[in-house]
Amino acid sequence: EAGVAQSPRYKIIEKRQSVAFWCNPISGHATLYWYQQILGQGPKLLIQFQNNGVVDDSQLPKDRFSAERLKGVDSTLKIQPAKLEDSAVYLCASSSLAGRNIQYFGAGTRLSVL
Amino acid sequence: AQSVTQLDSHVSVSEGTPVLLRCNYSSSYSPSLFWYVQHPNKGLQLLLKYTSAATLVKGINGFEAEFKKSETSFHLTKPSAHMSDAAEYFCVVSDPWDDKIIFGKGTRLHILP
Repeated sequence: EAGVAQSPRYKIIEKRQSVAFWCNPISGHATLYWYQQILGQGPKLLIQFQNNGVVDDSQLPKDRFSAERLKGVDSTLKIQPAKLEDSAVYLCASSSLAGRNIQYFGAGTRLSVL
Repeated sequence: AQSVTQLDSHVSVSEGTPVLLRCNYSSSYSPSLFWYVQHPNKGLQLLLKYTSAATLVKGINGFEAEFKKSETSFHLTKPSAHMSDAAEYFCVVSDPWDDKIIFGKGTRLHILP
């Protein structure tokens, strides 16, 4: 079974630029999560989708971050414009409705904002 | 409201000695609890989970954890550490009713030769 795929693995941008991350969850997993993990901290949930609907985006900085999962499969997370404090690893995870709460994680995208 | 506290940010043990990583939680309901491991430059991997069945949970790579409701704890243990266990470990609490998931800040495990 293929795991959660994320791209790119690394991204370096300057502040005020835009960036987008892509995630393809495990086939058949209805729930998709985006997390931000700042160095030295645990992952913080940014947004949770179930199919193509948003379940929780209470910690998403909506003035600069956006995410979509239009067809209920893969998802894109965008930052526009980026700030220095956005430097982090962005993790995508997915889970099935049957195995609720058990999340499978991708390798993450490491973003450096200069 | 849920919360999870990992009591040690760093733990160092010698290879072949026992490992204890401590986790306390707070939850209004009967929570689901998890331990994840993150090796450098790798994704998070599920070690084990507790979802209201047996209180002693066995996971992969020889790890196990015991759910103690009276102490609101879910400590992770392993009888004998291996060099490959060096990683960051996260305790996670989840409310099964609303699927909200909270990660602890992590404990970095160092294995001394």
